[in-house]
Amino acid sequence: EPEVTQTPSHQVTQMGQEVILRCVPISNHLYFYWYRQILGQKVEFLVSFYNNEISEKSEIFDDQFSVERPDGSNFTLKIRSTKLEDSAMYFCASSPARTSSYNEQFFGPGTRLTVL
Amino acid sequence: AQSVTQLGSHVSVSEGALVLLRCNYSSSVPPYLFWYVQYPNQGLQLLLKYTTGATLVKGINGFEAEFKKSETSFHLTKPSAHMSDAAEYFCAVSSFSGGYNKLIFGAGTRLAVHP
Repeated sequence: EPEVTQTPSHQVTQMGQEVILRCVPISNHLYFYWYRQILGQKVEFLVSFYNNEISEKSEIFDDQFSVERPDGSNFTLKIRSTKLEDSAMYFCASSPARTSSYNEQFFGPGTRLTVL
Repeated sequence: AQSVTQLGSHVSVSEGALVLLRCNYSSSVPPYLFWYVQYPNQGLQLLLKYTTGATLVKGINGFEAEFKKSETSFHLTKPSAHMSDAAEYFCAVSSFSGGYNKLIFGAGTRLAVHP
């Protein structure tokens, strides 16, 4: 069964460093998302991406964040200069082409980012 | 704006007992509602969803949920808990716009099942 994959599973970085979190969405999906979950808190929407551009972004998704689909398979989240408060689990999700008013989102296993 | 409230961050039941996880939502438009489950060290897996139609929806692993508009609720139930049901459960509402959905999650409920 197709699934969303994410690498690495755990990333440790120093404050101020750049990190890139990678996701491979399900191959025929067209909508892509990043969410994050700070330890002990709820899962929060970061950004959605369609047709090679951002569809919507949350207040969390400031200028330190960027997303990219560099090729036909990968979807990346870059944090330019990490802060302690960026430590969280980051989830990638994807959904298929619009066939109805709702598209189920399929989630990856997450990348745990620890900023020291 | 939409929001989700899950009552009870931790729920503990005995194996074989009824599972009831509570979810209330706020939405200015007809909501799409979901329950996701997260097992340790795994991603979020869709248990069930309500979009339109029948208000009692059945999901995987014997779970079901009922959409009650008058109560703005979407509680998750399972008649008989199994040890393998121990996980974190998230209720979510979807904000639909332009062909895609942004999910707004509740804080989650950790379910413990003891023998």
